[in-house]
Amino acid sequence: SQQGEEDPQALSIQEGENATMNCSYKTSINNLQWYRQNSGRGLVHLILIRSNEREKHSGRLRVTLDTSKKSSSLLITASRAADTASYFCATGKGNKLVFGAGTILRVKS
Amino acid sequence: GAGVSQSPSNKVTEKGKDVELRCDPISGHTALYWYRQSLGQGLEFLIYFQGNSAPDKSGLPSDRFSAERTGGSVSTLTIQRTQQEDSAVYLCASSLGRDTGELFFGEGSRLTVL
Repeated sequence: SQQGEEDPQALSIQEGENATMNCSYKTSINNLQWYRQNSGRGLVHLILIRSNEREKHSGRLRVTLDTSKKSSSLLITASRAADTASYFCATGKGNKLVFGAGTILRVKS
Repeated sequence: GAGVSQSPSNKVTEKGKDVELRCDPISGHTALYWYRQSLGQGLEFLIYFQGNSAPDKSGLPSDRFSAERTGGSVSTLTIQRTQQEDSAVYLCASSLGRDTGELFFGEGSRLTVL
C-alpha cells in the first residue's frame, strides 16, 4: 500500500487564491518531499522537509510537517494558471521514496 | 545533457513481446530509481540502485521484470512477455546519494501493450 495519501484528490480554484493540499502517511520517515507533475511530463522536486523540521518556505510555497499526526500540508499562495498540475507528496525512509496518488490542481484564470 | 534522459519516449508493442527501456542518469548521481505510473495514478516503486550495492528489487511486480545498471551509470529495465496490464509510463530518477534526498526525474517512457 502507498505510504502517502493526498487530500483532496482534485482541487479547482481561481487565479490569485491560495491552494492547500494535505498528505498523510503511516510509518516513521526521514523526510517528506513534494513534487509537481505537469501533464505528460516527469516530476519536478518542489521542496523537502526533514522529520525534525516543522515548517519550510520556498517562494510561494509553504510546507508544514506534523510528525505526531503523520501529516503534511502544502500551501501555494497567490496561485497562477501556470500552477495547474498534479502534486505528489513522497515520504523517505531508508533507500525508498514512496509516493502518494497525488492531488490534481486546476487554477482558472 | 544535464538532466535524466530516457528512451524511447513512446513504445507500442504487441502482447508477448519483450521490451527494453533505457535510463541515462545525471552524471555523478550514484542512486537510480525506476517507478511505474499508470494512467491517473501515483508512482509505484519498482527498483533502486545505489552505487555498487545489490539493488533493491522489492517493487518489481513479477519475474518478467528485470533491471540492470552497467558501470554505475546507464540502466535498462526489461519487461519480458509483455501483458496489457504492463501499459504505463515508466519513470526513471536519479539522486546524489544514499539518503532519500531530492530525486531528478526523466520525462518517462510511455509503454502501450496491444
